[in-house]
Amino acid sequence: EVQLVQSGAEVKKPGESLKISCKGSGYSFTSYWIGWVRQMPGKGLEWMGIIYPGDSDTRYSPSFQGQVTISADKSISTAYLQWSSLKASDTAMYYCARLRIAAAEDDAFDIWGQGTMVTVSS
Amino acid sequence: QSVLTQPPSVSAAPGQKVTISCSGSSSNIGNNYVSWYQQLPGTAPKLLIYDNNKRPSGIPDRFSGSKSGTSATLGITGLQTGDEADYYCGTWDSSLSLGVFGGGTKLTVL
Repeated sequence: EVQLVQSGAEVKKPGESLKISCKGSGYSFTSYWIGWVRQMPGKGLEWMGIIYPGDSDTRYSPSFQGQVTISADKSISTAYLQWSSLKASDTAMYYCARLRIAAAEDDAFDIWGQGTMVTVSS
Repeated sequence: QSVLTQPPSVSAAPGQKVTISCSGSSSNIGNNYVSWYQQLPGTAPKLLIYDNNKRPSGIPDRFSGSKSGTSATLGITGLQTGDEADYYCGTWDSSLSLGVFGGGTKLTVL
């Protein structure tokens, strides 16, 4: 079964760092782009960026460039989303998702992780 | 403010048909495939439609998609209470070189 399994919910304080994960299984992890999508409480989906685990080629939305870092460790089929200094406004659900066609960055997200809730509060 | 424009909400009675629109521009919908996602309350989004009008395995044919110019439409027939969800359109924006979503539409089955 093709699936993405994300790390658990996090509660952090402003200024702290955080790295959440997304582990793929059931397919060739290095051959498909993985994306991260933010959903703030009660709001819609926001495309944050994508990474191609095969060579770590990464694209960011300008809204998130410099605010987060997307990375991947192909040896353990895991993608990451990290912050160096969290803000209260980072409080949201974060989803990872796989792009449908191998090596195609402009396709639909066909497999989604279950989501990781990040809460940033003093 | 989303790059793609959807109505905030739509509603219809069980058994009826509803359509949800998604409006964009030549840099996104006009020159790229559109996908649609269903997000049931408290769950992750699920792919409903890709390549404008194709359904992944397991998606019933009550769900359909179409595209004309810079707009796309999701159609749902034979509405069920279980279809109550938020629906999002998505596509690639060639000018921005990134993916974009619509703001989402909340479907209520009265």
